[in-house]
Amino acid sequence: ILNVEQSPQSLHVQEGDSTNFTCSFPSSNFYALHWYRWETAKSPEALFVMTLNGDEKKKGRISATLNTKEGYSYLYIKGSQPEDSATYLCALATDSWGKLQFGAGTQVVVTP
Amino acid sequence: GAVVSQHPSWVICKSGTSVKIECRSLDFQATTMFWYRQFPKQSLMLMATSNEGSKATYEQGVEKDKFLINHASLTLSTLTVTSAHPEDSSFYICSVVRQGWNSNQPQHFGDGTRLSIL
Repeated sequence: ILNVEQSPQSLHVQEGDSTNFTCSFPSSNFYALHWYRWETAKSPEALFVMTLNGDEKKKGRISATLNTKEGYSYLYIKGSQPEDSATYLCALATDSWGKLQFGAGTQVVVTP
Repeated sequence: GAVVSQHPSWVICKSGTSVKIECRSLDFQATTMFWYRQFPKQSLMLMATSNEGSKATYEQGVEKDKFLINHASLTLSTLTVTSAHPEDSSFYICSVVRQGWNSNQPQHFGDGTRLSIL
């Protein structure tokens, strides 16, 4: 079992500010790294799936990078908006059949 | 629109009751569905992989006789918590994947079920 760590556990951001947070893992022995956004009372929504060292993905104001050699992925939110408030989950696909090992998430609260 | 429908959203019942949770794939046929559980302040933990037409694969430490999974059609998987006790109180959530799916593609989640056993 890979230990997926997410930090910080929570953060508060002022509207308009940019922020980033980390998903770290001890080994590059996985098939893919997934990022999900989970808003309260909704289902987790897929943001990115990343597989290669150096991968960079972008969706609107949100982007992510992957560094498998040093064991981390960053997720960035540019110009945070209240609708970005959610828990962001990182997960590693530990086999080709899709077993996901999740981190505990980073809860982001964007205040107007 | 929603890709996955999970029902019920929450359940409160007495100890010893069996509870069935349904997970439906609305947009596509799903030969594989996953069931996760989350205790407070903890990560989503995979309980089992549900495979249409065959037995589910359970993760280590998950009792298969306690958590019965049935995946009788390509759009429906059910999780039955048998003789539930307070320690089974948790948040249960399913995900579905398209046929031909691999780990490079995202999973589609239901809204989850909050189970409280008194």
